[in-house]
Amino acid sequence: DAGVTQSPTHLIKTRGQQVTLRCSPISGHKSVSWYQQVLGQGPQFIFQYYEKEERGRGNFPDRFSARQFPNYSSELNVNALLLGDSALYLCASSLGLGSYNEQFFGPGTRLTVL
Amino acid sequence: AQSVTQLDSQVPVFEEAPVELRCNYSSSVSVYLFWYVQYPNQGLQLLLKYLSGSTLVKGINGFEAEFNKSQTSFHLRKPSVHISDTAEYFCAVSDGNGATNKLIFGTGTLLAVQP
Repeated sequence: DAGVTQSPTHLIKTRGQQVTLRCSPISGHKSVSWYQQVLGQGPQFIFQYYEKEERGRGNFPDRFSARQFPNYSSELNVNALLLGDSALYLCASSLGLGSYNEQFFGPGTRLTVL
Repeated sequence: AQSVTQLDSQVPVFEEAPVELRCNYSSSVSVYLFWYVQYPNQGLQLLLKYLSGSTLVKGINGFEAEFNKSQTSFHLRKPSVHISDTAEYFCAVSDGNGATNKLIFGTGTLLAVQP
């Protein structure tokens, strides 16, 4: 079975631009979460969506937004990019919301902001 | 608020030696605890998890961890490491409230296995 897939793999943008990252969950998984991993640090929670509704938001500015589609895939949008947005963006999917539901992570999208 | 502390940023160890990676957490509610491994240029893979029951948890690749509620610790151990275990290891906590399974991660420990 296919795991969590993310696109693109790598992305280079300049300050002030906007970016859209995409994630396809494991088949049957209804929850998608997004994490930001800055070099040398652990992943930080950005958003969680379940059944197309936002179920959690981390401490990120409004420049970050996301949505989940009827097929449970998801997009993360970041507007007005800053140098500090350079990071590995990880998507994770799970069957449901309870903590007993394992989160499966994709390979990530590496965003570089110049 | 929940938090996770990984006390060692890097742990060098020789092949076939035992290793312990330390993790302490803080939480005012019951927690679920996880260890993930990240190989270079890859995503995160679950090694093991503690949800309830036995405090000694066994995971993949010969790793195990022990949940210690009184010391708020969840240290990861392996009796004999291999070169292939070289990777970044992350401890994480979830509060288990059912409304979300978001994870709070530590800063990671780089396990560097030397021949």
